[in-house]
Amino acid sequence: DSGVTQTPKHLITATGQRVTLRCSPRSGDLSVYWYQQSLDQGLQFLIQYYNGEERAKGNILERFSAQQFPDLHSELNLSSLELGDSALYFCASSLGPYQPQHFGDGTRLSIL
Amino acid sequence: GQSLEQPSEVTAVEGAIVQINCTYQTSGFYGLSWYQQHDGGAPTFLSYNGLDGLEETGRFSSFLSRSDSYGYLLLQELQMKDSASYFCAVHWGDYKLSFGAGTTVTVRA
Repeated sequence: DSGVTQTPKHLITATGQRVTLRCSPRSGDLSVYWYQQSLDQGLQFLIQYYNGEERAKGNILERFSAQQFPDLHSELNLSSLELGDSALYFCASSLGPYQPQHFGDGTRLSIL
Repeated sequence: GQSLEQPSEVTAVEGAIVQINCTYQTSGFYGLSWYQQHDGGAPTFLSYNGLDGLEETGRFSSFLSRSDSYGYLLLQELQMKDSASYFCAVHWGDYKLSFGAGTTVTVRA
């Protein structure tokens, strides 16, 4: 158990819809990261927050947004969903930048 | 931008030694990490190299040469449970972490 909690574990929705994925980091971790992993693909870095502030952006689409709240949990919002957005979305947390990242079990998003 | 290259697949028998190489090109390089991911599971952190040299953690060791933009993960005394995907990842720029495509290790009896 990494200590990182992601909800929901599975999500099935239709094209054009909007969903919110939630992540609670390990106790004490200030950094939260979001990744997308498509079938047979590596992990694509989306965005990172540190203590409530956005610190780094990767290949995150404009239809996607995220935020980290004062209690350090984070949400990833995906809108105008397309079939290609079907993937496993991971959240990870770490004490700080360049520290080992601890991953949650992921949210499997299926777009029908 | 940045790029990482690692072999796509490696197969070995129980008890053997496997070395997974990773070469990278990136600006603002800070360090190299390795993660293990079992099928359908969450990636788990294995090791981190910020300086040149070898880091040993039990049966797993990782090496980095910053001048050669090269690192490797060494898996010793392979066990069936080591069958998984292994990702190298570079820390670069402002707090970014980019993963390679992963190496699938298959351990046979």
